[in-house]
Parts: sequence; structure tokens; C-alpha cells
Amino acid sequence: DTGVSQDPRHKITKRGQNVTFRCDPISEHNRLYWYRQTLGQGPEFLTYFQNEAQLEKSRLLSDRFSAERPKGSFSTLEIQRTEQGDSAMYLCASSLRIRTSASSYNEQFFGPGTRLTVL
Amino acid sequence: GENVEQHPSTLSVQEGDSAVIKCTYSDSASNYFPWYKQELGKGPQLIIDIRSNVGEKKDQRIAVTLNKTAKHFSLHITETQPEDSAVYFCAAPGRYNFNKFYFGSGTKLNVKP
Repeated sequence: DTGVSQDPRHKITKRGQNVTFRCDPISEHNRLYWYRQTLGQGPEFLTYFQNEAQLEKSRLLSDRFSAERPKGSFSTLEIQRTEQGDSAMYLCASSLRIRTSASSYNEQFFGPGTRLTVL
Repeated sequence: GENVEQHPSTLSVQEGDSAVIKCTYSDSASNYFPWYKQELGKGPQLIIDIRSNVGEKKDQRIAVTLNKTAKHFSLHITETQPEDSAVYFCAAPGRYNFNKFYFGSGTKLNVKP
């Protein structure tokens, strides 16, 4: 399977614990994104990387959240001191930047997500 | 991008009928509009997209139309099948960062056999 993969698929934790998720993008993709999705809503942007550089972080990403992409390949998202409000599906996507003479755009491909439940 | 509204929130059709889902966006600079299909327990799957330099794109039973003047775009599914049942999301990029997608709130499509 050459798509985006995420691990674990499900995580149940107690409030106050730390959790870490991993994302492996499509191999040739240089951009990697993290989104959060709550029940009945569309995904919300959290952050994105171009290669190993983290280029933007949403205001949704509090100080308890940190993301890394150390070698420009896989990425990790860590949540410290989890709260019940952190319960959500955490989605990873990747893309290969495509630039034409007219514009720059990218197709984002999503992984299966990690469902986090904080008790 | 920025503010993307999607309607309807639920849609029920008979197998074989057509389904139309509409989205509006607020940022006139948006230039790329993807549609995603999400099945229960899975991540969103890109099914079709359209660039701002065309008004319509078709891929077999699905099509997307774009009206840049009115700032809305629509997903059309013809000859619906039960396996089309899923939640569909539209998205648009933001003005200052084309990598940052803003998603609609989703449409739950139910195709009755």
C-alpha cells in the first residue's frame, strides 16, 4: 500500500497523559499536514510541513501540541497533558506541490486517521 | 477558503437518481476546489477537484461545476449507487496560504436501494 499511513488507528488515554501519533506520507510527497476532525464536522487545519520545516501552525494548536518531521519523511504529533476536549480524529495528509505557469496548488491525500479518546 | 459553507447537511436519494451538493466560499483568491468522500471509520478520499480556470470537470458519474463570480461550486453524482453512501466534504484553500484547506461541514448522502 503506497498511501498515507497513520499509527495507531485508535488510542484511548486518561486525562493528563501524553500521547504521540505517527504519520508516514506518500514517499515522494514533500508536504505533510495535520488536521483534526470532531464528530459531524469537517477537518480543521492544525499545521503543515514542507520537507522538515514546519511552516504554519493554527491557533487551534495550543502549547500542549507539538509536531515534528525530523528528516522530512514521517511526522509525529504529540499531545501533552491530554484533556477531554482533545478527543477527536487526527488526520494526516500529504501532497506534492505542483506549480504551473498560472498558479500553484496541491492535491492533499489523507491517511485513515488516529481516533483519540480521552477519558 | 476562510469560510466554506456546505448544503445540504443530509441528502437521501433513491438508487439511480442524481445527487447535488453545493458549497460556497468567501475568499475570491481561492483557486482550487477539491471534493472528498469519507466512509465510516476512514480518512477522507479525494474524488474530484477543479481549478479556477475551468467551469466544469467530469469523471464518469461525478462532476464538479464552479461559478467564480458567485463563489460557489457543486458536486454532481449521477446514477447513484448504494456504495455512494458516505459523507462528502468540499474544501477551498485560504487566501494567504494555499496549503491550508478550509472544509465544509459535510453532507451525509444516503442512497436507498
